Amino acid sequence: QSALTQPASVSGSPGQSITISCTGTSSDVGSYNLVSWYQQHPGKAPKLMIYEVSKRPSGVSNRFSGSKSGNTASLTISGLQAEDEADYYCCSYAGSSTFVPFGGGTKLTVL
Amino acid sequence: EVQLVESGGGLVKPGGSLRLSCAASGFTFSSYSMNWVRQAPGKGLEWVSSISSSSSYIYYADSVKGRFTISRDNAKNSLYLQMNSLRAEDTAVYYCARSETVTTFDYWGQGTLVTVSS
Repeated sequence: QSALTQPASVSGSPGQSITISCTGTSSDVGSYNLVSWYQQHPGKAPKLMIYEVSKRPSGVSNRFSGSKSGNTASLTISGLQAEDEADYYCCSYAGSSTFVPFGGGTKLTVL
Repeated sequence: EVQLVESGGGLVKPGGSLRLSCAASGFTFSSYSMNWVRQAPGKGLEWVSSISSSSSYIYYADSVKGRFTISRDNAKNSLYLQMNSLRAEDTAVYYCARSETVTTFDYWGQGTLVTVSS
């Protein structure tokens, strides 16, 4: 059982926007602005999409954005495209004992 | 270009040992923390272990604590994971990843498969 809770699946049509939530606790998501999001296509290594809650690495489309409210972080993808179909994982710092739990992952389907 | 190349995976019997390596290139290896993250077949990502740039700070997931040892050789630009007392539930693709910050895994290798089975 993952320390961070994500919906198992979300879906949307091309051009629409979707949001994936990542719910933690006051010991992880709620305490640190150290949430990151990763995209993983089948058979490929994960790719960093968002770090420190809302920052985008160079080369990542500005259709991807991140936010946080209380113990829940969110990844929003606007203007959905077919290539966005993938698994998405959140990750948060949780202190020196638990360290870096990942969420269980969310499968995004572009209809 | 940043490159991380894992090696050392394979088939091992329960209770056995394996040593994974990750060869890094394209960046100043000694300036970054490094990590191992694994993914069991059909499952999600699981952080395994992290080591700071000078090896001063080392962290393990509870699931591997006491069985796995992370280390690095900055002179050889290499990261290692010594895995002992392996269990079936350790079966996974093991990725090495560079850290920009504690949760910012900005570059990943392609992974190496470890299968623990009799």
